Amino acid sequence: KQEVTQIPAALSVPEGENLVLNCSFTDSAIYNLQWFRQDPGKGLTSLLLIQSSQREQTSGRLNASLDKSSGRSTLYIAASQPGDSATYLCAVKNDYKLSFGAGTTVTVRA
Amino acid sequence: GAGVSQSPSNKVTEKGKDVELRCDPISGHTALYWYRQSLGQGLEFLIYFQGNSAPDKSGLPSDRFSAERTGGSVSTLTIQRTQQEDSAVYLCASGNQGTGELFFGEGSRLTVL
Repeated sequence: KQEVTQIPAALSVPEGENLVLNCSFTDSAIYNLQWFRQDPGKGLTSLLLIQSSQREQTSGRLNASLDKSSGRSTLYIAASQPGDSATYLCAVKNDYKLSFGAGTTVTVRA
Repeated sequence: GAGVSQSPSNKVTEKGKDVELRCDPISGHTALYWYRQSLGQGLEFLIYFQGNSAPDKSGLPSDRFSAERTGGSVSTLTIQRTQQEDSAVYLCASGNQGTGELFFGEGSRLTVL
């Protein structure tokens, strides 16, 4: 059974600082890995999708890396802004099934 | 529509009543998932559809829960004889067959009094 862990559980940083969010998983036979953002009371918004054959993906200030062999992914958010405050979830896909981490709740202080 | 649509967005019901939650996936997405998120908890897998078939129903908590999908599109999650522990946000996601990327709706918040 795939186990997904996200560390830290919560993070508070001043505006402008870079964010580093970690995700680890136990079964490296993944199809892809997806990072989501969830605002309070809302659904999940897809941020980045990394296929198993890829090492990283970038979108604007966001960059996600994938090291399948060690079972790790890292989401980097450059020059954080208060609007980046949210919970970030990592999800790993094996075959059709997605396994989610518990998330990292980020607060960016103005 | 442009995204995954869920209705109702909020539902308050009395214990013992039946409820239906609806999901309209992104057009052309053959994969559809239901998840449940209880207050302060992670996402709990309920059921997976590929087309109109549900090859994995392993996450449905009890026989009070059922789901169907018709026309390879709209899905309905039905909870019979609701209990207070059913209170949660029910999230639907549809999947792009090519990339495997999932897109979620805004969820249906169910409160059982």
